[in-house]
Amino acid sequence: GAVVSQHPSWVICKSGTSVKIECRSLDFQATTMFWYRQFPKQSLMLMATSNEGSKATYEQGVEKDKFLINHASLTLSTLTVTSAHPEDSSFYICSARGRAFTSSVEKLFFGSGTQLSVL
Amino acid sequence: GESVGLHLPTLSVQEGDNSIINCAYSNSASDYFIWYKQESGKGPQFIIDIRSNMDKRQGQRVTVLLNKTVKHLSLQIAATQPGDSAVYFCAENFSNQFYFGTGTSLTVIP
Repeated sequence: GAVVSQHPSWVICKSGTSVKIECRSLDFQATTMFWYRQFPKQSLMLMATSNEGSKATYEQGVEKDKFLINHASLTLSTLTVTSAHPEDSSFYICSARGRAFTSSVEKLFFGSGTQLSVL
Repeated sequence: GESVGLHLPTLSVQEGDNSIINCAYSNSASDYFIWYKQESGKGPQFIIDIRSNMDKRQGQRVTVLLNKTVKHLSLQIAATQPGDSAVYFCAENFSNQFYFGTGTSLTVIP
């Protein structure tokens, strides 16, 4: 099946530093990638949608200068949390929409998530 | 996909019993549905999917039922095991977008 690789899985950083999270689709081309944030015992909160080669679309209340998204190719999207602060500590998950070569249906596949802890 | 951060409803079942997790979807024109399982500290995993031209689809120990009349989707897990403890949520595909349900936290009691 299709795989989305997300890296790193855990980050601990000092307040004020920037953190980059990568999301790669390994065996399919992702036309669209999504970035989510999740707090404990809560559902996914969509932060932004990115299409390859174009600017990301951010959800209301998400600071685009704070959460920089780059979708440079059909297999890679990155989320950079700039000048991270303790309130940015959360679980960040990416997903990629695409069609695995064995399927005629476009599906949504998730990365394994990144736990960000800002001290 | 869109979703709203809400606290999750919970379901507790005894090991070996069957579990039924429900999901109400919002758009009658949605044509494709997916169930995901998310374990603590991990990303969601695809479990099973169903297209709108079907009412039922079975996988290994899981069955998805689709009732388009009342816009309801359910996931049945047979002989629930401790490893099934996780959050389960559904997704509907409408107009080339995926929309998520809030999820249900399943706890299996040994």
